[in-house]
Order: sequence, then structure tokens, then C-alpha cells
Amino acid sequence: GQNIDQPTEMTATEGAIVQINCTYQTSGFNGLFWYQQHAGEAPTFLSYNVLDGLEEKGRFSSFLSRSKGYSYLLLKELQMKDSASYLCAVMDSNYQLIWGAGTKLIIKP
Amino acid sequence: ETGVTQTPRHLVMGMTNKKSLKCEQHLGHNAMYWYKQSAKKPLELMFVYSLEERVENNSVPSRFSPECPNSSHLFLHLHTLQPEDSALYLCASSQDGQGSYNEQFFGPGTRLTVL
Repeated sequence: GQNIDQPTEMTATEGAIVQINCTYQTSGFNGLFWYQQHAGEAPTFLSYNVLDGLEEKGRFSSFLSRSKGYSYLLLKELQMKDSASYLCAVMDSNYQLIWGAGTKLIIKP
Repeated sequence: ETGVTQTPRHLVMGMTNKKSLKCEQHLGHNAMYWYKQSAKKPLELMFVYSLEERVENNSVPSRFSPECPNSSHLFLHLHTLQPEDSALYLCASSQDGQGSYNEQFFGPGTRLTVL
């Protein structure tokens, strides 16, 4: 079957750096997405990786290793507003998104 | 209005009621989706419409009935639901139904409680 694994919850300190990991086993691969979802709000797009390597976008970076079935989302200079759930999703060979259960990130002052 | 909107935002219904969820996208997209989001579980894709035709139905019980009258509007008709159907129902849209890059834009969801 298809599977996306990510930690259920993580805690970090304001101003610090946190890395949220995602491992996947899917039927084919057409890209990996990261979304941010604040409580009670819509998921919003953060990043898309289809080739190996690091994509940097401001304080957020996303890394992909297709051979290892692994990605991470790196958040730098954490702010209280970064407290949210972070969803990893992989597009399989049928272009269907397979979603992880999300990682709840708690930022402490 | 911009983006993807959903109404109502909250809905409480009994198991014998009939209700409908509405989604509207103002992005000019050709594909729309219904997802179910339960606590601590992955998003579950329910239905996909591309150019107003249903292209995906992931074994969803018949008590959920989608309707897509045009590419901007999507409905989810509900009847005789069960308490385990209580969840957040998210609508999303994307430029096309298929493609190697297909960012989805989500609405804020409808929080459904079935008593």
C-alpha cells in the first residue's frame, strides 16, 4: 500500500530552527508537496519538490531525496505564527495526492 | 470574494437530516475536490471533478452525493449520515485535474457534527 509517515507533534523554541521529516512509499512519484494548516483554517501551499535537492524560500526550505523516499521541511528563525500543522503529500503515478497525517508544530517563547 | 469559499463553516445535523455543503472557487480552475479531514488522520480524498465530470470516487458511501453544476461550483449532498462522519470537509481546486505539478488551493472547510 501507499504510505506517508511524519511525526505527530514537535515542539520548538521561538527564534530556533526545526526540521520536520517525511518518509514515503508510493506507487510512482510525481512530486512532493508541503502545506501549512493553522487550526480551523485551510491548508496553504508551502513548497513543491520533484528533483533531488534543497529548495529555499525565505525562512522555509524543503529537501527531497527520491532514492531514500525522504523529504524534510526546515523552518528557520521560528516565529509564534509558525505554530500550525504541516502536511506532507506525494503525487503518485496516477497524479493523485497521497497525504500524511500532518505534524503539529508547537512554538514556545 | 477570492480563492475558494465554503458554506456553511459549521453544521450540526441529526442522522435523519438532509443537508448540503457548498464550495465556490474564484480562480478559474478546471478541477475541484472534496476531502474529509478527521483528527490525526491523513486527508481522505472523496471526489474529484475535472471540467464538471467526476473522475474519481474513492469508495465513498452513497450517503454522500456530489454535484458539480459548473467548473466554479461544487456541492456535497448529505443524507442519513452516521456519527463517524463527523469531520472537517475541505473543498479544493486546481488548474487541471492531472499533471505533474498541480498545486491545490483549499477552502476553509465545513466542520460537520452528526448527532
